[in-house]
Amino acid sequence: AQSVTQLDSQVPVFEEAPVELRCNYSSSVSVYLFWYVQYPNQGLQLLLKYLSGSTLVKGINGFEAEFNKSQTSFHLRKPSVHISDTAEYFCAVTITGGGNKLTFGTGTQLKVEL
Amino acid sequence: KAGVTQTPRYLIKTRGQQVTLSCSPISGHRSVSWYQQTPGQGLQFLFEYFSETQRNKGNFPGRFSGRQFSNSRSEMNVSTLELGDSALYLCASSLRLAGGSQETQYFGPGTRLLVL
Repeated sequence: AQSVTQLDSQVPVFEEAPVELRCNYSSSVSVYLFWYVQYPNQGLQLLLKYLSGSTLVKGINGFEAEFNKSQTSFHLRKPSVHISDTAEYFCAVTITGGGNKLTFGTGTQLKVEL
Repeated sequence: KAGVTQTPRYLIKTRGQQVTLSCSPISGHRSVSWYQQTPGQGLQFLFEYFSETQRNKGNFPGRFSGRQFSNSRSEMNVSTLELGDSALYLCASSLRLAGGSQETQYFGPGTRLLVL
């Protein structure tokens, strides 16, 4: 079975500073990887996804992530954060051929401060 | 195009009761998945429906069930509610089942269920 680990439950950062949210996965088969964001009292919004091809994936709101197969990682980065980026971020994985079933990490709360 | 809608948005029930939650997918989407989100267990997959058939199921007891109608709308039902069923229930829709290419899932705002 596949699993996802988000090591940091909370990440505080000052506005306009860069940020990296870490995600590691475990799977014995090929996977697809996703990052979702959840704002308070809302559902999940897809930031970006890795299916195949280029290991650097660009998403919405200036976020990007890099797939590293050897380190089984898919870290999310943004070069300069804004107050509006304050939210919870979830890394998720699904195995190829596994339908739409997503396995989520425990989430990282990003808090952007002035 | 309207997004995924879920009704009701908030619900309070007592132990032992049953509850039905509704999800209307984005127009044209035929796959609907359900997830439970709790502070303790995080986001967990419940089940997925496509063409009125359950295609995938998570590790939840039989008290949790669902169905999908011919217009792709879906309902999930929880019988004999327990305190631990208090959660945010999220519905997600996608165009079709993931095959050779992974489908993007679009999530609704969720139904927050409180069991007293």
